[in-house]
Amino acid sequence: DIVMTQAPDSLAVSLGERATINCKSSQSVLYSSNNKNHLAWYQQKPGQPPKLLIYWASTRESGVPDRFSGSGSGTDFTLTISSLQAEDVAVYYCQQYCTTQWTFGQGTKVEIK
Amino acid sequence: QVQLVQSGAEVRKPGASVKVSCRASGYSFTNYDINWVRQAPGQGLEWMGWMNPNSGNTGYAQKFQGRVTITRDTSISTAYMELSSLRSDDTAVYYCARRFAVPGTLPDYWGQGTLVTVSS
Repeated sequence: DIVMTQAPDSLAVSLGERATINCKSSQSVLYSSNNKNHLAWYQQKPGQPPKLLIYWASTRESGVPDRFSGSGSGTDFTLTISSLQAEDVAVYYCQQYCTTQWTFGQGTKVEIK
Repeated sequence: QVQLVQSGAEVRKPGASVKVSCRASGYSFTNYDINWVRQAPGQGLEWMGWMNPNSGNTGYAQKFQGRVTITRDTSISTAYMELSSLRSDDTAVYYCARRFAVPGTLPDYWGQGTLVTVSS
């Protein structure tokens, strides 16, 4: 299985400041047949199922605010929240879907400083 | 509107089995795969497996091979996830999620989750 490792496990950011979460995969998730990185980011709030934010490493899901952006390729990826809002307090997960055995990172908890 | 409605909370003893249902409405059941993901209390997300309701084809995470079975009843647009030989560390919220049945797509709608508690 591809192992996904996120850093940090948690971070506290002031309102309006930037939050950055990193995700590293144990092998490349760049799929040669379509030249796309099969890497997604989810947001999960307490008591709710995950919500898809980003797919193909950098494509925002419809309706997701543009303060959320994804970048990276191969094995190293980043989710950036450009200006943290109160409603962004949540746990964020990366996920690879390069293989039929999906795997998630352990999650990063984002809080307000 | 699209809905995935899961069955209610369950309590089981170690060694028993549990079967969670996921009833779909608001879309064509056979056009979307159903995935199952679980989350232990305070822990992260863990993908368990998928099923194509049209063909009945399934795929399971290696960790759960031999213990999990995903089935469906197309007449009532319902998918099921059965987990056997339960242990205390199977205590978790179990989610179903639909995914358009094309490789490379991701879940867009999720069920509300079903808490399964394994305790003697």
